[in-house]
Amino acid sequence: DAGITQSPRHKVTETGTPVTLRCHQTENHRYMYWYRQDPGHGLRLIHYSYGVKDTDKGEVSDGYSVSRSKTEDFLLTLESATSSQTSVYFCAIRDAGQTNYGYTFGSGTRLTVV
Amino acid sequence: GEDVEQSLFLSVREGDSSVINCTYTDSSSTYLYWYKQEPGAGLQLLTYIFSNMDMKQDQRLTVLLNKKDKHLSLRIADTQTGDSAIYFCAEGGSYIPTFGRGTSLIVHP
Repeated sequence: DAGITQSPRHKVTETGTPVTLRCHQTENHRYMYWYRQDPGHGLRLIHYSYGVKDTDKGEVSDGYSVSRSKTEDFLLTLESATSSQTSVYFCAIRDAGQTNYGYTFGSGTRLTVV
Repeated sequence: GEDVEQSLFLSVREGDSSVINCTYTDSSSTYLYWYKQEPGAGLQLLTYIFSNMDMKQDQRLTVLLNKKDKHLSLRIADTQTGDSAIYFCAEGGSYIPTFGRGTSLIVHP
């Protein structure tokens, strides 16, 4: 998607290892979000950021941490990956001044924990 | 807390109209959105409606909003196989959006 990229696109990791997913935007948007998507659950918010170094927890934040040291990057870290964290992870961005235009999503990272 | 509900599946014949329904609970929602997700891709904003409107039309798409009943619907006219996807309803009353679980639209010949 234009203006927002996620990396890696796919990853397989072992239980107990740390994993970091990256979301990069070129839109200079203030708000950034991390979601996970699982069958039967739809999208669930993990963490979000409302500015550099300003982050807060979502509904499923246990086992995840985030960092935002500059406007364009929002990192999601699984401190010690578990099989329950196998999922598709989406990053989204939103401009503070254009609420009517909704959110722009990245293409997702498919993470498999074995 | 806020909640957004949608039916999980809808199957239609090509050329027919599709209607996807959504209910929400947050009466302060300023905007309501429909997103489309194709297989293997992220969500893309399809259309949105401001809470003081009751209808919005955009080519084959018609959004109806019943604010009293907190009911939102998306009608797709002349549904095509390329419309097969998951459709998410979302409410945007704050900067923490709430999404429904998505409706899988299956279009068969």
